[in-house]
Amino acid sequence: KNEVEQSPQNLTAQEGEFITINCSYSVGISALHWLQQHPGGGIVSLFMLSSGKKKHGRLIATINIQEKHSSLHITASHPRDSAVYICAVLNNNDMRFGAGTRLTVKP
Amino acid sequence: KAGVTQTPRYLIKTRGQQVTLSCSPISGHRSVSWYQQTPGQGLQFLFEYFSETQRNKGNFPGRFSGRQFSNSRSEMNVSTLELGDSALYLCASSLAPLRNTGELFFGEGSRLTVL
Repeated sequence: KNEVEQSPQNLTAQEGEFITINCSYSVGISALHWLQQHPGGGIVSLFMLSSGKKKHGRLIATINIQEKHSSLHITASHPRDSAVYICAVLNNNDMRFGAGTRLTVKP
Repeated sequence: KAGVTQTPRYLIKTRGQQVTLSCSPISGHRSVSWYQQTPGQGLQFLFEYFSETQRNKGNFPGRFSGRQFSNSRSEMNVSTLELGDSALYLCASSLAPLRNTGELFFGEGSRLTVL
């Protein structure tokens, strides 16, 4: 079993829909990052969480340390949100990654 | 403000050769971390440098090494290349060490093909 599990692996949505991507981990962590990777490889850091909730524009990220679970929400999704979203956990200065969720938002 | 710069962007090597990749962080950033991304294994952490010291290393063989210079630029080296080393190698910079940082800034990556 991977230490960082993401679900779903693939997600197709219509423009405007509310999107949720989940990340569960099995190790103790000091922080969790949500990353966005567009075709071509460029990665953008969206959030770093160690507790609670953060919001940036249409993106919301939450983390429950006790349940070892984090969610990334996208409100009013748009085709430009189409990308791979990757959860990464920081554990004893070693970073472990989920396999990613490929999101496609159709107009 | 210039972003993280990785060179070269693309390179082709043959088995047994060695390769050096370079990463110039955002000005003022002292932490550089390196990652390997392959279709089969996804993203994996290679190592992190902060103030010229390697702080952490992922589960990679000794053929993978790195260093950081006084200007925070970092290089990683892979010796005795194997076909399985074909990957996108990414670096990221941050102000603080990984365990303390709030945001990572990634370069565009160096795509290595080993023939």
